Amino acid sequence: AQSVTQPDIHITVSEGASLELRCNYSYGATPYLFWYVQSPGQGLQLLLKYFSGDTLVQGIKGFEAEFKRSQSSFNLRKPSVHWSDAAEYFCAVGALGGSTLGRLYFGRGTQLTVWP
Amino acid sequence: DAGVTQSPTHLIKTRGQQVTLRCSPKSGHDTVSWYQQALGQGPQFIFQYYEEEERQRGNFPDRFSGHQFPNYSSELNVNALLLGDSALYLCASSPPPPGLDYNEQFFGPGTRLTVL
Repeated sequence: AQSVTQPDIHITVSEGASLELRCNYSYGATPYLFWYVQSPGQGLQLLLKYFSGDTLVQGIKGFEAEFKRSQSSFNLRKPSVHWSDAAEYFCAVGALGGSTLGRLYFGRGTQLTVWP
Repeated sequence: DAGVTQSPTHLIKTRGQQVTLRCSPKSGHDTVSWYQQALGQGPQFIFQYYEEEERQRGNFPDRFSGHQFPNYSSELNVNALLLGDSALYLCASSPPPPGLDYNEQFFGPGTRLTVL
């Protein structure tokens, strides 16, 4: 069964510190992986995505993520966090094709708090 | 480009009532998916519409139904509302193939439904 686990419900970091948000997935086929960010009262904004090629992908706002097939992980990182990064972050997995094309399975999210 | 738009922004209903939520996809997109995001949870897939047909469906009861119009806009209908239907309802659209972007979901800001 397809599933996404984000083990950290809430993370607090100081502004300027580095950040890593964890994501593990379970998927029966080649996964298409995403990270989305959601600010309060807003919809989801795509940060980055991965489906093949270089396992380190760059996204918007200085974020990057690394796909590790052996660990079924797709962790999100940022070298220096800004106060504006405070938000909720969702990892998601989807199909590259087949009957579930376009359907995303989301983790429960990680709430990021940034201290000034 | 207006992006994905949803209406209304907020809605309050009482148990047993029926509700209709609306979504206009991003320009050039032909596939619309609906997700339910309960408080503190990640979005859960309700169903997806393509060419005015329901193409796939998540684990939601028949009280949840939808429609897609020739201009690709979509409606989500929920009958016999329950307290547990209170959530943020997100609409997402995706472009047609070719290219792998057809698996990327562009999300609207959501409709916050409160059932009393």
